Amino acid sequence: SQKIEQNSEALNIQEGKTATLTCNYTNYSPAYLQWYRQDPGRGPVFLLLIRENEKEKRKERLKVTFDTTLKQSLFHITASQPADSATYLCAGGAGTASKLTFGTGTRLQVTL
Amino acid sequence: GAGVSQSPSNKVTEKGKDVELRCDPISGHTALYWYRQSLGQGLEFLIYFQGNSAPDKSGLPSDRFSAERTGGSVSTLTIQRTQQEDSAVYLCASSFFPGGAGELFFGEGSRLTVL
Repeated sequence: SQKIEQNSEALNIQEGKTATLTCNYTNYSPAYLQWYRQDPGRGPVFLLLIRENEKEKRKERLKVTFDTTLKQSLFHITASQPADSATYLCAGGAGTASKLTFGTGTRLQVTL
Repeated sequence: GAGVSQSPSNKVTEKGKDVELRCDPISGHTALYWYRQSLGQGLEFLIYFQGNSAPDKSGLPSDRFSAERTGGSVSTLTIQRTQQEDSAVYLCASSFFPGGAGELFFGEGSRLTVL
């Protein structure tokens, strides 16, 4: 079955550094990959969407890549801040009538 | 409303009882999803409605779970004869675009506790 895999271990980084989170997909070829932020007790909030024919997309301090050869997306937060601490979820969709499949998320902790 | 609304926000029930969870999506959104999130876990897909197409029910864990979407708008997720393992946060999301082609807007979830 189609699967989105993220590193379940928490990522701890120092303020000001770049955080890089990894998302791998197996058993399908998503046409879209999306990244969400989730804070404790809240619903996920959309951050970025990247299409399979796009190599990279940026939004302010965020950057996401889509590598169809490696079957992987990387999510970068530059100049990270303590307020960036949250769980980040990757999701893949094949388009049209298909569902959006989420990974288990990676918790990011940014310390001073 | 401006966003996706879910009710109730919290539900405590006894094992064996039936529960209904409601989702009001954003007006005009044709795609509607239900996900389940257990403590510290990721989002487990349950069911996906897209316009007038037959829903994708492939994520429903057992025949105790069912969902409907009336008039292409409000959706109700029903869990019959609840079990303790059904305890989780049930999240609803809607989107203007099908199949992950656009962002999903999530509600704040319905937290279900089965005693």
